[in-house]
Amino acid sequence: DAKTTQPPSMDCAEGRAANLPCNHSTISGNEYVYWYRQIHSQGPQYIIHGLKNNETNEMASLIITEDRKSSTLILPHATLRDTAVYYCIVRAFGNEKLTFGTGTRLTIIP
Amino acid sequence: GAVVSQHPSRVICKSGTSVKIECRSLDFQATTMFWYRQFPKQSLMLMATSNEGSKATYEQGVEKDKFLINHASLTLSTLTVTSAHPEDSSFYICSAKKDTSNTEAFFGQGTRLTVV
Repeated sequence: DAKTTQPPSMDCAEGRAANLPCNHSTISGNEYVYWYRQIHSQGPQYIIHGLKNNETNEMASLIITEDRKSSTLILPHATLRDTAVYYCIVRAFGNEKLTFGTGTRLTIIP
Repeated sequence: GAVVSQHPSRVICKSGTSVKIECRSLDFQATTMFWYRQFPKQSLMLMATSNEGSKATYEQGVEKDKFLINHASLTLSTLTVTSAHPEDSSFYICSAKKDTSNTEAFFGQGTRLTVV
């Protein structure tokens, strides 16, 4: 699976939109972009995934660039409970495994 | 979303003893379950992939005789850490998928193992 690069940490003010970038310049055509987050001392939580179109659900929006080499996870109105490590993962269709990188530690500031 | 439950959430054991951790999919049948290990301030590392009714597939560097995985039913997988040592102290997390398509995996809440 393609490797991803994320900033190690970010801060965001409570109530503002949190935009988390991810680079996956070696992504291939059959690979999806997944986002998970891990709140301290808990198991990861699925957020969203996409192939090439932008996606939105009740938690977040995923914006994937046209060349698919990068993406941005958007939490529209960040709350203190969104403080977590966010993982961007690229996984090929049919590959069962999720390979976690180091992620981005997002801190929401009151 | 689907619910995956791990038990126990915390366990302390003596060095040399074995510890069993259970992972259950509560509201779906899981054809595949995964076991991860996470050391403090590090990311999750996949240990093994478990398919119901067959032997687990271990990642490189993971000792299969030390970390015994059993996936006897579509809702239960167990990880047994045999002859535990302090260096096995870690956060163990399981995940499960409903099927083999490109759906998301659901994670348990994790088990904090401390070997003293």
